[in-house]
Amino acid sequence: EVQLVESGGGLVQPGGSLRLSCAASGFTFSTYWIYWVRQTPGKGLVWVSRISGDGHNSDYADSVKGRFTISRDNAKNTVYLQMNSLRAEDTAVYYCGRDIVVVGGMDVWGQGTTVTVSS
Amino acid sequence: SYALTQPPSVSVSPRQTASLTCSGGNLGNKYVCWYQQKPGQSPVLIMYQDTKRPSGIPERFSGSKSGNTATLTISGTQVIDEADYYCQTWDSSTVIFGGGTKLTVL
Repeated sequence: EVQLVESGGGLVQPGGSLRLSCAASGFTFSTYWIYWVRQTPGKGLVWVSRISGDGHNSDYADSVKGRFTISRDNAKNTVYLQMNSLRAEDTAVYYCGRDIVVVGGMDVWGQGTTVTVSS
Repeated sequence: SYALTQPPSVSVSPRQTASLTCSGGNLGNKYVCWYQQKPGQSPVLIMYQDTKRPSGIPERFSGSKSGNTATLTISGTQVIDEADYYCQTWDSSTVIFGGGTKLTVL
């Protein structure tokens, strides 16, 4: 079965750090771009970051640039999102998704992991 | 910064046709995809590269684009289609979502 499973969310204080993981199975992981998207309850989808299949290219939303780092380990079929200097406005459900084709759209999504930044 | 505009809400009667729009500058030269999201669930890709339906998506969903507006059309709308719908595109190295449209079927 093709799937993505996020983990690593939790409660963290402002200024703290957290690392999210997105574990893939059921497909040739290294050939797909992987995205991170977040959503605050009752609000819309917001793109966070993406990384190419070989890990050589990555992009970030302005709101997280310089604070978040995306990476991948194709031997472990896992993408990571290292989140530093967390702010209250980073509180959200974080989803990872697989790009169906390059600039196609995310055809496989995880169930999401919740990040809460609060003191 | 680049933005996509969607109407906040659209209402349609069962078995009628729903048209959901998504507008943005120079959208005619960008690929657009559409997601459906139901409460408490992860989004589902229902259209990609403007007009392509992923495997498993019903034929009643179709996509089109004219000028700077992309349209998701649901023919013969069913009650199960009630959900939030988001369009998405790429601008340079940035990924942009529209604000979403809540489709009510009543």
